[in-house]
Amino acid sequence: QVQLVESGGGVVQPGGSLRLSCAASGFTFSSYGMHWVRQAPGKGLEWVAFIRYDGSNKYCAVSVKGRFTISRDNSKNTLYLQMNSLRAEDTAVYYCVKDVRWQQPYYFDHWGQGTLVTVSS
Amino acid sequence: EVVMTQSPATLSVSPGERATLSCRASQSVGSNLAWYQHKPGQAPRLLLSGASTRATGIPPRFSGSGSGTEFTLTISSLQSEDFAVYYCQQYYNWPPLTFGGGTKVEIK
Repeated sequence: QVQLVESGGGVVQPGGSLRLSCAASGFTFSSYGMHWVRQAPGKGLEWVAFIRYDGSNKYCAVSVKGRFTISRDNSKNTLYLQMNSLRAEDTAVYYCVKDVRWQQPYYFDHWGQGTLVTVSS
Repeated sequence: EVVMTQSPATLSVSPGERATLSCRASQSVGSNLAWYQHKPGQAPRLLLSGASTRATGIPPRFSGSGSGTEFTLTISSLQSEDFAVYYCQQYYNWPPLTFGGGTKVEIK
């Protein structure tokens, strides 16, 4: 079955950096677009970033543009989110999410359990 | 950006009763709408796509309708495991993909 396992979350100071990883299994990782979606404490879901199946196209939310970078290594079945210049408002559970398609963002059929990122001094 | 608005924010329902959740888009998204169920501490789960097509393994008590800007998720007879937060998400106009603020279905 599809498994998405996030890691790399933790506590970081404002202005700091963190890299999240997501290990994927149970499907052909290199054939699907992937996303990061986050949920701040007490808030709803917010889409963060998308990467095409081959890594050739990426899109991200305005709130993280220029600070976060999504990437993937299809040889390792792993998705990444490099987060720089972190702010308190980036505090959230970050979910690794599989798209149902390969080329463009669509909707999500599998989610990881999430990893908590806390930005605090 | 397409703004998705869900109502009500909280819905109190007794087990066995029907629940009707609404989702409105700020502009037409056709039928490019998905619904998710999210329970605390768990991963969200896809319920419906294309506004009305149930995902694999989703019981028939979950149904969806609507197109354009107005959508509805109906749970025909609430079971104990259905108490959760429900989100709609549009995938017609991106980036960004956008979610509604969620509707919490709680036990009355």
